[in-house]
Amino acid sequence: DTEVTQTPKHLVMGMTNKKSLKCEQHMGHRAMYWYKQKAKKPPELMFVYSYEKLSINESVPSRFSPECPNSSLLNLHLHALQPEDSALYLCASSRLVGETQYFGPGTRLLVL
Amino acid sequence: GNSVTQMEGPVTLSEEAFLTINCTYTATGYPSLFWYVQYPGEGLQLLLKATKADDKGSNKGFEATYRKETTSFHLEKGSVQVSDSAVYFCALSTGANSKLTFGKGITLSVRP
Repeated sequence: DTEVTQTPKHLVMGMTNKKSLKCEQHMGHRAMYWYKQKAKKPPELMFVYSYEKLSINESVPSRFSPECPNSSLLNLHLHALQPEDSALYLCASSRLVGETQYFGPGTRLLVL
Repeated sequence: GNSVTQMEGPVTLSEEAFLTINCTYTATGYPSLFWYVQYPGEGLQLLLKATKADDKGSNKGFEATYRKETTSFHLEKGSVQVSDSAVYFCALSTGANSKLTFGKGITLSVRP
């Protein structure tokens, strides 16, 4: 089983709202990733967690706040987003950082 | 640095046509190579991979061979179906603690 799940599928939020995206995997992977994907573009890496610790932050604005509460879960907390943050947010996991990544279905976010 | 170059798209084919999507790469060391597919409205799915020179990855009728001498990983399918309509991303990883480097992606449309 190579399933990564993400909730919600769709999210609409205002610029003053606070919301969270969730990602879960039960493959025993110790690396988890957040990506942002704009239409017709490849995914852009945002954050990497390795063994529940943040190992890479690709200079993402502080209005995006990741959290890894345990080895199966990854959250992305959103606050005071801008309309240009509207995108598909993808979670991925791999056994270790640098190994084959498996992606979730994504959360499609619209910021009004 | 690492980079992946994909042929320009979009590509439109008739059902049962032969498909080739070109992918070349530049990398330090010996990368692992991947093809991911993204169906409309969905996340990325790993289509196939190859981890060393001359390896052939295959899945769902798609094949790609890791060619070190030409630094290429072209995707082929002998007879495409309408259901193969999607965006295809070539990607590489150079091993432990490395990021996934994507090509720009190419949109394939298969008409009945």
